[in-house]
Amino acid sequence: GDSVTQMEGPVTLSEEAFLTINCTYTATGYPSLFWYVQYPGEGLQLLLKATKADDKGSNKGFEATYRKETTSFHLEKGSVQVSDSAVYFCALSGAGGTSYGKLTFGQGTILTVHP
Amino acid sequence: NAGVTQTPKFRILKIGQSMTLQCTQDMNHNYMYWYRQDPGMGLKLIYYSVGAGITDKGEVPNGYNVSRSTTEDFPLRLELAAPSQTSVYFCASSQLAGGDNEQFFGPGTRLTVL
Repeated sequence: GDSVTQMEGPVTLSEEAFLTINCTYTATGYPSLFWYVQYPGEGLQLLLKATKADDKGSNKGFEATYRKETTSFHLEKGSVQVSDSAVYFCALSGAGGTSYGKLTFGQGTILTVHP
Repeated sequence: NAGVTQTPKFRILKIGQSMTLQCTQDMNHNYMYWYRQDPGMGLKLIYYSVGAGITDKGEVPNGYNVSRSTTEDFPLRLELAAPSQTSVYFCASSQLAGGDNEQFFGPGTRLTVL
């Protein structure tokens, strides 16, 4: 079945550092890929998405490129801020006409940014 | 536009008690979902619904029940609470299924079973 694997966390960075959170997936066909972010005490919210190979999703300075050849969707940001401290989830939505749009999530990566 | 709302925010149950977690969305979405989030784990799908009157099991449905009598509401029922059901529960909704499926999440209910 479908699965998503994220890099082990937590990740601790200083403000303005470069961020990479690795995400690889296993799925049949051509899934859509997502990054969701969960700020403390809140529900998840969509950060960015990509629906086909070589697409780049971007939002709020974050980027991720859908790499089918390496089955990866790594999240990057050039200069993190304290306000980026949150839990980041990589997820996929199965291809092939999934009737209910089931999302498969990675385990989440806790990011803490210090001033 | 409130989005997805959940009540209560926190609850402590004793083993064997029952309760209903409420979820309401005001976006007229057809698809609704219940997830649980355990520490250090991703979210796991409990139940989902593709429209009023239609529900089906997800990955971890045991110990839970749902109903969908209206488009807006999707309550989750725990009949005999067990410590293994201690978790954070999220309700979500989406307009579409498949490729452009952005799910909108509620703020969650933190449940402890003692």
